[in-house]
Amino acid sequence: KAGVTQTPRYLIKTRGQQVTLSCSPISGHRSVSWYQQTPGQGLQFLFEYFSETQRNKGNFPGRFSGRQFSNSRSEMNVSTLELGDSALYLCASSLAELAETQYFGPGTRLLVL
Amino acid sequence: DAKTTQPPSMDCAEGRAANLPCNHSTISGNEYVYWYRQIHSQGPQYIIHGLKNNETNEMASLIITEDRKSSTLILPHATLRDTAVYYCIVRVEGAAGNKLTFGGGTRVLVKP
Repeated sequence: KAGVTQTPRYLIKTRGQQVTLSCSPISGHRSVSWYQQTPGQGLQFLFEYFSETQRNKGNFPGRFSGRQFSNSRSEMNVSTLELGDSALYLCASSLAELAETQYFGPGTRLLVL
Repeated sequence: DAKTTQPPSMDCAEGRAANLPCNHSTISGNEYVYWYRQIHSQGPQYIIHGLKNNETNEMASLIITEDRKSSTLILPHATLRDTAVYYCIVRVEGAAGNKLTFGGGTRVLVKP
């Protein structure tokens, strides 16, 4: 069974631009969570989607948004990029909303210049 | 979710057992202990989880103290590929959502 895939793997943007990252969960998984990882703040939870509905949200500004499609694929969008948004963005999928195990993708590394 | 405390780093000799401690003194009765690891530049990988009893799988063993205030992850025969950051996480199973709260973790270096 294929794992969680994320595209693109690497991305370079400039301040003020916006970016959209994509995540395809493991087949059959309906829950998708997003995390941001930076050297200074570590791994931080962004938000979680289940059945196209946002279930949980972390403490990030409104510039960070996401959505989930009917096939469980998810996208996250960051508008008006700032230098501090440079990070590894990780997606994780779970079988169900209350599943015990999350499977992470390889991440998208975003560099904002 | 309860807070966890882990040593920032530790070294381990290849082929020896690696014992990774985690303190979670404020853990509640319905909170599970999870362990994930993150090998450099990869996404975190699930290792094991438990509530009260000790658990073992093909990757590791989890020993939870009787009062549940601390636990130890044991990698029985560490290999160079086990070099990674190991995260101990406490969360309520069955709670709405799958949010994981990561701390700083323990950076484990397996040396030949």
